Amino acid sequence: TQLLEQSPQFLSIQEGENLTVYCNSSSVFSSLQWYRQEPGEGPVLLVTVVTGGEVKKLKRLTFQFGDARKDSSLHITAAQPGDTGLYLCAGAGGTSYGKLTFGQGTILTVHP
Amino acid sequence: NAGVTQTPKFQVLKTGQSMTLQCAQDMNHEYMSWYRQDPGMGLRLIHYSVGAGITDQGEVPNGYNVSRSTTEDFPLRLLSAAPSQTSVYFCASSYAFSSGMSYEQYFGPGTRLTVT
Repeated sequence: TQLLEQSPQFLSIQEGENLTVYCNSSSVFSSLQWYRQEPGEGPVLLVTVVTGGEVKKLKRLTFQFGDARKDSSLHITAAQPGDTGLYLCAGAGGTSYGKLTFGQGTILTVHP
Repeated sequence: NAGVTQTPKFQVLKTGQSMTLQCAQDMNHEYMSWYRQDPGMGLRLIHYSVGAGITDQGEVPNGYNVSRSTTEDFPLRLLSAAPSQTSVYFCASSYAFSSGMSYEQYFGPGTRLTVT
């Protein structure tokens, strides 16, 4: 079974601060996705990274896929209260054909 | 398009009762899946389907059955509910799922199930 470890599990910061969420595994993934989930709703895709070393930017969010395709990070610059939510990484490929493996999630709270 | 719809939104069952969680999508997606979400454990895959008539087990399939008679519908059946099945259940669909790539998963709004 492939595992994805996310850290930290909880993050509480003030508006304007920067933060980084990590997603690590001992397994290689063919692609990795980041989702954001708000209370009472299903997760919504933010980005998919597929190439080792790839960096993608989505406004104030920067996503990076590790060179060995075993890890990924999500960096948020100047966090805003609207960024509050649960962030989930999910990996596909390798030995988990047909299955998407999710990390445990990071609950982010941004205080005004 | 309605996207992925799930019913009911909330459900309370007694131990031993059975029920079916409904999931439907109108995007003509081949791949559909069921997850359960518990605090601190992210999303765990219960069952998935790569097309009508084809289903397979995920990470935590025990106590659940699925079938996929049409592209649109993917119901999840709880055979004999147990308190350990108290969770939030999400259905998801995507265009496809290849060996090396995951397409965007579209999630339904979830069903919150409590088993007493």
